Amino acid sequence: EVQLVESGGGLIQPGGSLSLSCEISGFTVTDSYMTWVRQAPGKGLEWVSVIYAGGSTYYAGSVKGRFTVSSDISKNTVYLHMNSLRVDDTAVYYCARGASVGFRALSAFDIWGHGTLVSVSS
Amino acid sequence: DIVMTQSPDSLAVSLGERATINCKSSQSVLDTSNNENHLAWYQQKPSQPPKLLIYWASTRNSGVPDRFSGSGSGTDFTLTISSLQAEDVAVYYCQQYHGSPPTYTFGQGTKLEIK
Repeated sequence: EVQLVESGGGLIQPGGSLSLSCEISGFTVTDSYMTWVRQAPGKGLEWVSVIYAGGSTYYAGSVKGRFTVSSDISKNTVYLHMNSLRVDDTAVYYCARGASVGFRALSAFDIWGHGTLVSVSS
Repeated sequence: DIVMTQSPDSLAVSLGERATINCKSSQSVLDTSNNENHLAWYQQKPSQPPKLLIYWASTRNSGVPDRFSGSGSGTDFTLTISSLQAEDVAVYYCQQYHGSPPTYTFGQGTKLEIK
């Protein structure tokens, strides 16, 4: 079964660091590109970062320089390392798989985890 | 930065009637190399992750009912539900992709309810 399971969320003070994990089942991290999307309480979706199969990474301007996305092929897991956390980083963080048809990337996300909540508060 | 603007912010439609949601991009999302629009639509129900409905502006994802359709090109796009069902109550988001550098942007969402 194709599945994504996020973990690592919790309550953290402003300025702190936290690492999220996204464990992949049913496909391998080298088969696709993976993204992180967040949703603040009662708000809309905000793209955070993407990691491509070749290892290239890109970030939204709001997190660039503070967040780092990485993957571990041996664990078939994608990570989001978050530093210098701010109150406005409070959100449910989803990982999602980049959709593809054959070798063509569809620029959309077809498999989503259920998310992990990060609360930044003093 | 590319901005995606959806209209309306909320919409109430009677069961069996047509629902139409619009999405406008501040820049064209048309990939002229293959004539595909990098525009997707998602449905999100309460306490659930988003579900991909449409990609390339008009291609339904596997398993999505054919009452959902997407149209448009360049900067203006539409999601249409031809005959609203009770299970379609949700928030709908459009999302674009821009390649230099790669970024993805969501619209602010449209809440669809039953009238």
